[in-house]
Amino acid sequence: QVQLVQSGAEVKKPGASIKVSCKASGYTFNTYGISWVRQAPGQGLEWVGWISPYNGDTNYAQKLQGRVTMTTDTSASTAYMELRSLTSDDTAVYYCARKRGSGWVDSWGQGTLVAVSS
Amino acid sequence: EIVLTQSPGTLSLSPGERATLSCRASQSVTNNYLAWYQQKPGQAPRLLIYGASSRATGIPDSFSGSGSGTDFTLTISRLEPEDFAVYYCQQYGSSPWTFGHGTKVEIK
Repeated sequence: QVQLVQSGAEVKKPGASIKVSCKASGYTFNTYGISWVRQAPGQGLEWVGWISPYNGDTNYAQKLQGRVTMTTDTSASTAYMELRSLTSDDTAVYYCARKRGSGWVDSWGQGTLVAVSS
Repeated sequence: EIVLTQSPGTLSLSPGERATLSCRASQSVTNNYLAWYQQKPGQAPRLLIYGASSRATGIPDSFSGSGSGTDFTLTISRLEPEDFAVYYCQQYGSSPWTFGHGTKVEIK
């Protein structure tokens, strides 16, 4: 069965960087994109961006352009999301999810809590 | 960007009742690329519907999606206890992909 397993929770200080990993299993990793979605405490879902493991194409949310980088390691079936210059507004649970077709996602990781606090 | 407005914010219903959730887009959603997700507390979202009306694998037929252009609806024909949750719509026809703010379906 499809599984996406994410790295553990982290606490960071303002200005720091975070890199969240997402290891996929149960399907051919190169076949589907990986989307990243975040959810601030008590809030709704916010799309962060997506990456194609096949060719490395990316598409990032404009508000995070310049601070976010998504990469993949196809040999390890793992996707990564790096976010730099963290502020308290970046405190959220970050989810990776398998992208299907034109953009819906059908399988989700368990989420990674990133807390930014001085 | 396309803004998705979900209504109502909260829907209070009893098990066995029908739920009708609305998602209205600020502009037409390309190719009706609209998905619905269910999220329970402490859990990741779960895909219910994609392409406005296609049910995802394993989703019971009590869930149905309809609509086109700017107006979309998720209908739960008969609420089961496990259906009480928050529901989000998402459009993926235009970048940036966007989500609605959610409709909470709570037990009356």
